[in-house]
Amino acid sequence: QVQLQESGPGLLKPSQTLSLTCTVSGGSISSGAYYWSWIRQHPGRGLEWLAYIYYSGSTYYNPSLKSRLIISVDTSTNQFSLKLTSVTAADTALYYCARAVVDSSGSFDYWGQGTLVTVSS
Amino acid sequence: QSVLTQPPSVSAAPGQKVTISCSGSSSNIGNNYVSWYQQLPGTAPKLLIYDDNKRPSGIPDRFSGSKSGTSATLGITGLQTGDEAEYYCGTWDSSLSAGVFGGGTKLTVL
Repeated sequence: QVQLQESGPGLLKPSQTLSLTCTVSGGSISSGAYYWSWIRQHPGRGLEWLAYIYYSGSTYYNPSLKSRLIISVDTSTNQFSLKLTSVTAADTALYYCARAVVDSSGSFDYWGQGTLVTVSS
Repeated sequence: QSVLTQPPSVSAAPGQKVTISCSGSSSNIGNNYVSWYQQLPGTAPKLLIYDDNKRPSGIPDRFSGSKSGTSATLGITGLQTGDEAEYYCGTWDSSLSAGVFGGGTKLTVL
């Protein structure tokens, strides 16, 4: 059974860089069948897709956040990560990592439980 | 504002059927597969439908998906109180080169 687990700081100050890691277990991140993804959800709001990365390192970003996002993958540790620079209160959200099926227009078949990130001075 | 448009809320009585619509364009729904997710309160979203109309293992056949042109629909029959949740559609947008979601629909089982 595939499992994904997010980790990272829960509290940041404005202008800092958010760094999150997703650890994948029960499956290889090097599988060519999947993209590895970050999605966030503002409190009481809908889902916002942030980024994909393929095991080879190919990346796709949300155009509205592209200038502040970096997604990376470490196949040796079966982890992938997200950095979001210059955070503001508007980046306060629940951040999920998820596995997306390449041949299914990126349907997300496994999700982490989510990690709450709060940006506050 | 979301790229995909869903009604904010729908409601129906237990045992009844409900449908949730998801409207997009040729760059997303019209040329890519649609997936649907159920998010129960306080939990991560769960995949209900992929490739427009396929159900993952373990998803009951009370849940169905369909697509026509640039719109998709999630159907739920035999409604149960446990189906009360937020439902999201999602797909890839080829023009944006980005994943996109609908704004979500809150289902109330009266």
